[in-house]
Amino acid sequence: LAKTTQPISMDSYEGQEVNITCSHNNIATNDYITWYQQFPSQGPRFIIQGYKTKVTNEVASLFIPADRKSSTLSLPRVSLSDTAVYYCLVGDDRYSSASKIIFGSGTRLSIRP
Amino acid sequence: ETGVTQTPRHLVMGMTNKKSLKCEQHLGHNAMYWYKQSAKKPLELMFVYSLEERVENNSVPSRFSPECPNSSHLFLHLHTLQPEDSALYLCASSQELGREFDNEQFFGPGTRLTVL
Repeated sequence: LAKTTQPISMDSYEGQEVNITCSHNNIATNDYITWYQQFPSQGPRFIIQGYKTKVTNEVASLFIPADRKSSTLSLPRVSLSDTAVYYCLVGDDRYSSASKIIFGSGTRLSIRP
Repeated sequence: ETGVTQTPRHLVMGMTNKKSLKCEQHLGHNAMYWYKQSAKKPLELMFVYSLEERVENNSVPSRFSPECPNSSHLFLHLHTLQPEDSALYLCASSQELGREFDNEQFFGPGTRLTVL
């Protein structure tokens, strides 16, 4: 099972770009990489998902190198409201084996004015 | 508002009590999940249901008993819990299992459970 490793915490300032990197050395061929955001006392919320190269949506970008052993979530111009825990998730539920979906410990991102 | 609701939002129970957590999704999804989130620990997947059939049970103690009467509702029945079971219990749903891509999970707000 692909295990993920992320920094425990990160600090940044409003208006900066924040990059959070996740390591997943044992990622399997069929695994996708998904990032979730979680605010205190709320459930996680999907941010972005990718398989390889680069994916961009209105919230973030996800960069995945060719070997797929890591991925980087990029948040452009963060604001105070981006303060949350960010989870990198690697898994593949295509074969109804949802235990392959594993949340890591997450990165606690703190944004300061 | 994610389309997934959970009740109650907070629950305090003694070790001899029996209670149930309820989850309802209004998204037309076919897969539903129970997660446990303890302080300073990663989210732990407990149970997965697909089309009302349990497809995953991650070595969860029998004092936790899930029930999925239909694809919109999911229950977690609790009995004889221990103080270490105190945690945030999250319900999630996704369109279906076996979907190759874009199988985003939608989470409810959770039930904060305290076992005395």
